[in-house]
Amino acid sequence: DIQMTQSPSSLSASVGDRVTITCQASQDISNYLNWYQQKPGKAPKLLIYDASNLETGVPSRFSGSGSGTDFTFTISSLQPEDIATYYCQQYDNLLRFTFGPGTKVDIK
Amino acid sequence: EVQLVESGGGLVQPGGSLRLSCAASGFTVSSNYMSWVRQAPGKGLEWVSVIYSGGSTYYADSVKGRFTISRDNSKNTLYLQMNSLRAEDTAVYYCARVKHGENIYYYYYMDVWGKGTTVTVSS
Repeated sequence: DIQMTQSPSSLSASVGDRVTITCQASQDISNYLNWYQQKPGKAPKLLIYDASNLETGVPSRFSGSGSGTDFTFTISSLQPEDIATYYCQQYDNLLRFTFGPGTKVDIK
Repeated sequence: EVQLVESGGGLVQPGGSLRLSCAASGFTVSSNYMSWVRQAPGKGLEWVSVIYSGGSTYYADSVKGRFTISRDNSKNTLYLQMNSLRAEDTAVYYCARVKHGENIYYYYYMDVWGKGTTVTVSS
């Protein structure tokens, strides 16, 4: 089974800061990597699919990059409404999905 | 409007059964891949199961042999039958649509989610 790690597990940053989260797969997953945002008490929301594609309607301050085993998610200018937990997600050829453990983002 | 609404959660004793429903509107369940994802209290997201538009099904090892994903095309509804429930199955259960796109390969993502239904397994 493919294992996903995320770092950091939590971070605190100021409004306007650039925030970067990394996700690492235990083996090559090509671009099969999505990013989700989850606010407390809410369902997850798709932000990035196929490693670097921005979902329709998602602000352009969110971006993703990477392929193979190492991926990066970036918020270019942190906003108060971005307070949430962010998850990476990978899938295999049978669409068995695995989520990363999550990164909780707070405002300093 | 594209929407998913889960129902059927509740309190059940260990060893008991429960069936979750996920009613879809704005799209056809049978034409899409659909999935269940759960989240234990204070924990991260855990994928549970997927059903292909063609009917193939796959499960996480943690629920294999105990849970069954299915759909009723006439009701445009997805189901999750959960048997032999354990305390560790306590979670909010979300259904999600799995969309795909094509580059030089197919890629998949969960683009529509329900609000979730809570399952508590306790005596």
